[in-house]
Amino acid sequence: QVQLQESGPGLVKPSQTLSLTCTVSGGSISSGSYYWSWIRQPAGKGLEWIGRIYTSGSTNYNPSLKSRVTISVDTSKNQFSLKLSSVTAADTAVYYCARDWGPRRGDAFDIWGQGTMVTVSS
Amino acid sequence: QSALTQPASVSGSPGQSITISCTGTSSDVGGYNYVSWYQQHPGKAPKLMIYEVSNRPSGVPDRFSGSKSGNTASLTISGLQAEDEADYYCSSYTSSRVVFGGGTKLTVL
Repeated sequence: QVQLQESGPGLVKPSQTLSLTCTVSGGSISSGSYYWSWIRQPAGKGLEWIGRIYTSGSTNYNPSLKSRVTISVDTSKNQFSLKLSSVTAADTAVYYCARDWGPRRGDAFDIWGQGTMVTVSS
Repeated sequence: QSALTQPASVSGSPGQSITISCTGTSSDVGGYNYVSWYQQHPGKAPKLMIYEVSNRPSGVPDRFSGSKSGNTASLTISGLQAEDEADYYCSSYTSSRVVFGGGTKLTVL
């Protein structure tokens, strides 16, 4: 049973870089031709897709965030990571990592982490 | 503003059926059969309920069904139960990325 777990600081100062890691357990991040996505949700609001990575290192990003986002993968640690630079209060949200079937298999997210709250404040 | 448009809220009584719409464009919902639906209870991660417009993952009750016509996808829940009360989100593939709807709060009266 594959499980995902987000980790990282819960508080980030404005203008700094938000860094989160998602650890995949119960299976290899490299198996099954899956993509791995980051999704966020501000309190009381809807879901926003941030971007995704394939284990080859290929990435796709939300155009609205592309200039500030970097997603990377470390297959040796079974982890993938998110970096969001120049954060503001608008980046305060619950951040989820999720397994993504990818653009050729319906682009559904079938396994989600529990989510981690990140607050941007000085 | 979300890329896909959903009603903010819908409601129904136990046993009844409800339908939630998800309207996009020919570049997303209308252009691909890659619409998914998610259920989210308060404080929990979303759960995949429907993929590729009308397919249910293993374990999702057959009370949940999906369809699409043109640029609008729909989620129908029949035989409403109290535990169906949650937020529901649609998503669609478009141009190498994913877009979500704004979400619909389902209230079971």
